Amino acid sequence: NAGVTQTPKFQVLKTGQSMTLQCAQDMNHNSMYWYRQDPGMGLRLIYYSASEGTTDKGEVPNGYNVSRLNKREFSLRLESAAPSQTSVYFCASSEAFGTDNQPQHFGDGTRLSIL
Amino acid sequence: GQQLNQSPQSMFIQEGEDVSMNCTSSSIFNTWLWYKQDPGEGPVLLIALYKAGELTSNGRLTAQFGITRKDSFLNISASIPSDVGIYFCAGPPVNYGGSQGNLIFGKGTKLSVKP
Repeated sequence: NAGVTQTPKFQVLKTGQSMTLQCAQDMNHNSMYWYRQDPGMGLRLIYYSASEGTTDKGEVPNGYNVSRLNKREFSLRLESAAPSQTSVYFCASSEAFGTDNQPQHFGDGTRLSIL
Repeated sequence: GQQLNQSPQSMFIQEGEDVSMNCTSSSIFNTWLWYKQDPGEGPVLLIALYKAGELTSNGRLTAQFGITRKDSFLNISASIPSDVGIYFCAGPPVNYGGSQGNLIFGKGTKLSVKP
C-alpha cells in the first residue's frame, strides 16, 4: 500500500553535478507529475506525463529533463545542478489527466541541496 | 501566470476552536482540491469539490465550492493539535494558459498552536 515512492529522500550535490530523482507509483495511475516546493511557496509544476509515452513542460521546466520509463515510473534529471535548484521535489500521480476527476496523490518528497 | 490567493497566510489555533480559511482566484475553476502537508511529508488530499455550490465534509473538515467558481472555503471544527500543518488549495483553472488539467497551488495557510 505504498502509493507514490520517491528516492532518494535527501541528497546534497555540488554545482555542476548531475543526478536523477526516481519516482514510482503502484496505483495504476495514468498520469504523473514532478513539482518543486520552495520556502513559503506553493508547489510549482516542472514536468508532467499525461500518459505513458508522453511528457510535457510545466511552469518551471528549465534545467530539468524527465523520462516516463513505464506506466509506474517517472524520473526527473538535473543535468548540471545549480544552487537555484535547491528545493524539495515532489512526485505525484493521478488516475487521469484533463478531466474533472483527477486528484493528485503525492510522495513524501526529495530534499535536494546544491552547494 | 495564474494565481490562487490563500487567506490567511498563517494562523494560531487553540484546541477546540473552529478554523476558517479561503482561496480565491481571478479565474474560474471546475474542480477545487484541499490538501494538508505535515512537516517532512508530501501533501495529502483532504477534500475534492467538483460542482459550484457543493458542500462536502470529511470528519471535522468542511469545504465549499463557491457559487462564482472563483473561490473555495475550508472550515475545521473543534480543532485538535494534529490539525497543525500547512493547508493548500489547488485546482485546474478553466482556460488555463498551460495544458488543461494541470493543477496550480496556493501558497498555503499555516496552522500553528497558540503558545
